[in-house]
Amino acid sequence: KNQVEQSPQSLIILEGKNCTLQCNYTVSPFSNLRWYKQDTGRGPVSLTIMTFSENTKSNGRYTATLDADTKQSSLHITASQLSDSASYICVVRISGGYNKLIFGAGTRLAVHP
Amino acid sequence: GAGVSQTPSNKVTEKGKYVELRCDPISGHTALYWYRQSLGQGPEFLIYFQGTGAADDSGLPNDRFFAVRPEGSVSTLKIQRTERGDSAVYLCASSLMRGGTEAFFGQGTRLTVV
Repeated sequence: KNQVEQSPQSLIILEGKNCTLQCNYTVSPFSNLRWYKQDTGRGPVSLTIMTFSENTKSNGRYTATLDADTKQSSLHITASQLSDSASYICVVRISGGYNKLIFGAGTRLAVHP
Repeated sequence: GAGVSQTPSNKVTEKGKYVELRCDPISGHTALYWYRQSLGQGPEFLIYFQGTGAADDSGLPNDRFFAVRPEGSVSTLKIQRTERGDSAVYLCASSLMRGGTEAFFGQGTRLTVV
């Protein structure tokens, strides 16, 4: 069964600290993996995309990694800001024909001053 | 439009009633998706349209749910005989083409069945 599992389920950190969110997937065949940020009451917005051949990709203070062998990805947030408080969702696309996406349940991050 | 637009943003309905949720995708996007997101969960796939046709409706939970996209642009998700368990945020997304491109999401419609 195609599944995406994320950990931790929720996380509280202090402003300025770093954190790492984890994503494990069993989706096959794999096409790509995206990390989305979802603010409360809003739709998800893509942060970064990882393809099979990519190991690390950065987008500002966000750095995503992908290990296609172990089917694991991580999202590292550096120097967190209050505006980083949101749900972070790992989404894997199934290869072959169309853009079917498998979503993780997300990690709810709260950044406190 | 500039982004994916969903209306209404909130809908409260009585159990047993019929509801329609509307999605206006980004202009020119041929692919359109509906997802359902329950509280504390990630979005769950419902149905995918490529143009006017439903290419994959395997996520629709039962025959009370139906979606159309008659002109290949606006889509309507229809729910008959609503149940309290249908309460969720219904997200719509669109993308340019079949594979590999980013899906852009609307803000969702929060459906509450009382």
